[in-house]
Amino acid sequence: GENVEQHPSTLSVQEGDSAVIKCTYSDSASNYFPWYKQELGKGPQLIIDIRSNVGEKKDQRIAVTLNKTAKHFSLHITETQPEDSAVYFCAAWASGTYKYIFGTGTRLKVLA
Amino acid sequence: SQTIHQWPATLVQPVGSPLSLECTVEGTSNPNLYWYRQAAGRGLQLLFYSVGIGQISSEVPQNLSASRPQDRQFILSSKKLLLSDSGFYLCAWGNRAEAFFGQGTRLTVV
Repeated sequence: GENVEQHPSTLSVQEGDSAVIKCTYSDSASNYFPWYKQELGKGPQLIIDIRSNVGEKKDQRIAVTLNKTAKHFSLHITETQPEDSAVYFCAAWASGTYKYIFGTGTRLKVLA
Repeated sequence: SQTIHQWPATLVQPVGSPLSLECTVEGTSNPNLYWYRQAAGRGLQLLFYSVGIGQISSEVPQNLSASRPQDRQFILSSKKLLLSDSGFYLCAWGNRAEAFFGQGTRLTVV
């Protein structure tokens, strides 16, 4: 079955700097890769996603890149702000399986 | 627009008591529904998912069960709670690819 690894587990950056979180997946059939942001005591919120027919997607300060050959995808946050502090999860989904397999999460701290 | 409701937000239950958590979705039909559990500071563990009424797939053998009595209703149950059942329970719905989560129920078994 699918396995998703996520690194790093914690990440501290200075406000205004960039943050990068990386994930690898094992199932070559996976074709959809969402990223979620979870604030303390709340459910995860979908912030950006990418499908396997696209190499990069950007939405304001956040972007996601996908390398299908290497089976890895990354979240990039530029010009970080204190409100970006949260736990971020990557996930992989393969059509036909109905299941989202999540990474173990990255706790991002943006230092003011 | 679609919305997902999950309740209660917090719950404290004694060991050995039953459990029933409910999740309902509005604004969509025939969604895929999911129950996840998140231990403190940990990742998301898929417990159950359902692709239709009465169709339940279990991912982890445990003290819990799930049911889908209606198209947009998903229920997580237990007959007798264990201490190890404590955690943050999240319901989610999805269609084709995107999945959206409820706000979660924090369960503490004492």
